[in-house]
Amino acid sequence: QVQLQESGPGLVKPSQTLSLTCTVSGGSINSTSHYWSWIRQAAGKELEWIGRIYTGATTSYNPSLKSRVTISEDTSKNQFSLKLSSVTAADTAMYYCARGHMVRGVSQRHYYGMDVWGRGTTVTVSS
Amino acid sequence: DIQMTQSPSSLSASVGDRVSITCRPSQNINSYLSWYQQKSGKAPKLLIYATSRLQTGVPSRFSGSGSGTDFTLTITSLQPEDFATYYCQQTYSSPFTFGPGARVDVK
Repeated sequence: QVQLQESGPGLVKPSQTLSLTCTVSGGSINSTSHYWSWIRQAAGKELEWIGRIYTGATTSYNPSLKSRVTISEDTSKNQFSLKLSSVTAADTAMYYCARGHMVRGVSQRHYYGMDVWGRGTTVTVSS
Repeated sequence: DIQMTQSPSSLSASVGDRVSITCRPSQNINSYLSWYQQKSGKAPKLLIYATSRLQTGVPSRFSGSGSGTDFTLTITSLQPEDFATYYCQQTYSSPFTFGPGARVDVK
């Protein structure tokens, strides 16, 4: 059974870089059938998709955050990570990592919903 | 970006009721639509993917339908554990946007 666990500082100062790691157990992040995402949710607000990565370190980011976001993978540790630079109070949220299904078509990949989620980690941006 | 709208934004229902929530993307997303259930303080749970495919372990009272720009999540015979917020999400093109959510609470 695949499980995901987020880890990282719960408090980050404004203008600094938020760094989180998602550790995957019970499965491999090298899977060609899955992509790995970060999603966040401010208190009382809707879900916001941050970006994804899949095998070969291919990434895609939300344009609203693109200039500040980096998602990377460490296959030796079966982890993927999120870095968000120049944070402000608006980045205060619950951050989730999740696994989604991906199917390779003839000329493109097809992406489906995220079936495994971490429990989430709260990040507060404050001095 | 593809914008997602959901209606209603909230509804009150009773156990045993049939509930339907609509999701409308701003452009055609074929069948790349998923539905999630989120309870307070918990991570979202995938209910349906590819418009109508029930995720393993999800009760059959949940169903999804639609295509293009009009999708519906239906819960037949609402159960006490179904009171929650429901989100749709498109995975047709990046960014994989979510709808604003639809809260189902007790009448």
